[in-house]
Amino acid sequence: DTGVSQDPRHKITKRGQNVTFRCDPISEHNRLYWYRQTLGQGPEFLTYFQNEAQLEKSRLLSDRFSAERPKGSFSTLEIQRTEQGDSAMYLCASSVIPGTDYTGELFFGEGSRLTVL
Amino acid sequence: AQSVSQHNHHVILSEAASLELGCNYSYGGTVNLFWYVQYPGQHLQLLLKYFSGDPLVKGIKGFEAEFIKSKFSFNLRKPSVQWSDTAEYFCAVTPGFGNEKLTFGTGTRLTIIP
Repeated sequence: DTGVSQDPRHKITKRGQNVTFRCDPISEHNRLYWYRQTLGQGPEFLTYFQNEAQLEKSRLLSDRFSAERPKGSFSTLEIQRTEQGDSAMYLCASSVIPGTDYTGELFFGEGSRLTVL
Repeated sequence: AQSVSQHNHHVILSEAASLELGCNYSYGGTVNLFWYVQYPGQHLQLLLKYFSGDPLVKGIKGFEAEFIKSKFSFNLRKPSVQWSDTAEYFCAVTPGFGNEKLTFGTGTRLTIIP
């Protein structure tokens, strides 16, 4: 499967612990996005990268959250000192930058579900 | 900032019934509009999109949507649904070409009864 992959698929942690999620985008995709989805809601934008540069961060991304894409390939999303309100599905998506093959489509992974006890 | 409203939270239909899911957006400028679908246990995937041109767009699996600018709407339709259309459907908007920062609606869960 050459789609977007995320790891782990499910993480259960205790309040106050740190967690890290990894996303491997489709290999030729320059842009990488993180979204958060809570029960009964649509995905909400958190942040995105173009290559290794983090170009935008949502106000939803508190200082306990940090995302990196060090070599412009895979990305990590770390949550420090988790809170019960952080329980959600964390979705990663990738896309190409506008050009001849541009379709505007985001390709999503299956998500990493976080449960904070 | 843009927002998206999906008024139908859960729709239950019998096979072969016609489907229309509502989507309204709030944004004053040029928008790109999308419908994404999430089948049970699978990732979100694109169903169809509108950038410009013909306001009636066709997507995969027999779905279509019509952009009505005056009503800020982008409703999804299918003339005859199948059991395999059971899924969650999300309308989304981005402000202008080359910007994939999607704003999603809350989704509509569609259940098709065989």
